[in-house]
Amino acid sequence: AQTVTQSQPEMSVQEAETVTLSCTYDTSESDYYLFWYKQPPSRQMILVIRQEAYKQQNATENRFSVNFQKAAKSFSLKISDSQLGDAAMYFCAYGLSGGGADGLTFGKGTHLIIQP
Amino acid sequence: NAGVTQTPKFRILKIGQSMTLQCTQDMNHNYMYWYRQDPGMGLKLIYYSVGAGITDKGEVPNGYNVSRSTTEDFPLRLELAAPSQTSVYFCASSPSLLSYNEQFFGPGTRLTVL
Repeated sequence: AQTVTQSQPEMSVQEAETVTLSCTYDTSESDYYLFWYKQPPSRQMILVIRQEAYKQQNATENRFSVNFQKAAKSFSLKISDSQLGDAAMYFCAYGLSGGGADGLTFGKGTHLIIQP
Repeated sequence: NAGVTQTPKFRILKIGQSMTLQCTQDMNHNYMYWYRQDPGMGLKLIYYSVGAGITDKGEVPNGYNVSRSTTEDFPLRLELAAPSQTSVYFCASSPSLLSYNEQFFGPGTRLTVL
């Protein structure tokens, strides 16, 4: 079974600075996807960024980027120029590829606090 | 498109009562999912469906039932509610034609069993 581990229950960063959230996972599969979801106080799950395991290039979406280390099974999220609106719970998630119906496996989340 | 909608937003149940959580999506997605999120935890899969008439168990199915009579709707039934079912419930859908399993989530239902 796949597992996803987020070892930082809470992180705090000053507004405009950079913060990195950690995620490790365990799988015996070679073809999969990794996701970071943001959950603000509204509880809505919002996709932040996605990484395909077969791609060596790290995904980037504006101020959000990942450091994907497949051999180490590590998938960290870097948020640059942190903004107050970035404050939320962040969940790392794993899913198999191939158009299958498997659900996602989530980590426990990291609570990100932005200090003004 | 409204995306994935869930009703109700909040509900308090007494032990032993039953209820149905409603989920509807208007994106014509074949795959639909139910997750629960306990305090301080990530989401765990309860049930999923790959299309109308087809459902299967996820990681934590005990105490729940589902049905899928249409592509749009995927209700979750709680029978004999227990305090352990106090949680936030999320419904999600996913298009089956994509090679990756990106899921679109509803706003959640907060359920308290007393």
